[in-house]
Amino acid sequence: ELKVEQNPLFLSMQEGKNYTIYCNYSTTSDRLYWYRQDPGKSLESLFVLLSNGAVKQEGRLMASLDTKARLSTLHITAAVHDLSATYFCAVDLNQFYFGTGTSLTVIP
Amino acid sequence: DGGITQSPKYLFRKEGQNVTLSCEQNLNHDAMYWYRQDPGQGLRLIYYSQIVNDFQKGDIAEGYSVSREKKESFPLTVTSAQKNPTAFYLCASSRRRGYEQYFGPGTRLTVT
Repeated sequence: ELKVEQNPLFLSMQEGKNYTIYCNYSTTSDRLYWYRQDPGKSLESLFVLLSNGAVKQEGRLMASLDTKARLSTLHITAAVHDLSATYFCAVDLNQFYFGTGTSLTVIP
Repeated sequence: DGGITQSPKYLFRKEGQNVTLSCEQNLNHDAMYWYRQDPGQGLRLIYYSQIVNDFQKGDIAEGYSVSREKKESFPLTVTSAQKNPTAFYLCASSRRRGYEQYFGPGTRLTVT
């Protein structure tokens, strides 16, 4: 079974700071997705990464995929309060395997 | 507007009762999925369907059943055999299996 680990599990950061969330997975896959979930809400798609070296950026978020290292990163630049949410990575290996999520709190 | 709807948003049931959660999509997607989310955890796959009248078990199918009689609909029944049914249930769909999944708003089920 594919294992997907995210770290950190909890992240508290000040507005304006940068930080990176890591997603490691145990079996080779070249398809990885990032989702955002607000408390009590559903999942919103952020990024689709479909090949080694893929990099996608949207606003203050940038995601990358290194399939050889089995690692994806979600980099946050100059955090703002609106980014507070839980972020999940999901690896596609015949089915989606989700990480445990990273709960991000941005403090003013 | 295309999207995925789930109903109800909140559902309360007594232990020993079966309950059915609704999921409808108008995205013309072939594949549909049911996930369970427990507090502080990621999503776990219950069942998925790639095409009408066909579905496959996911990692935690015990105590659940599904049907796929129409392309648009994929209801999930939580049976009394499910030992710990209280959770947040999310339905998703994708154009085909292996494509990006889009999620519905979820149903929060509480069984007492």
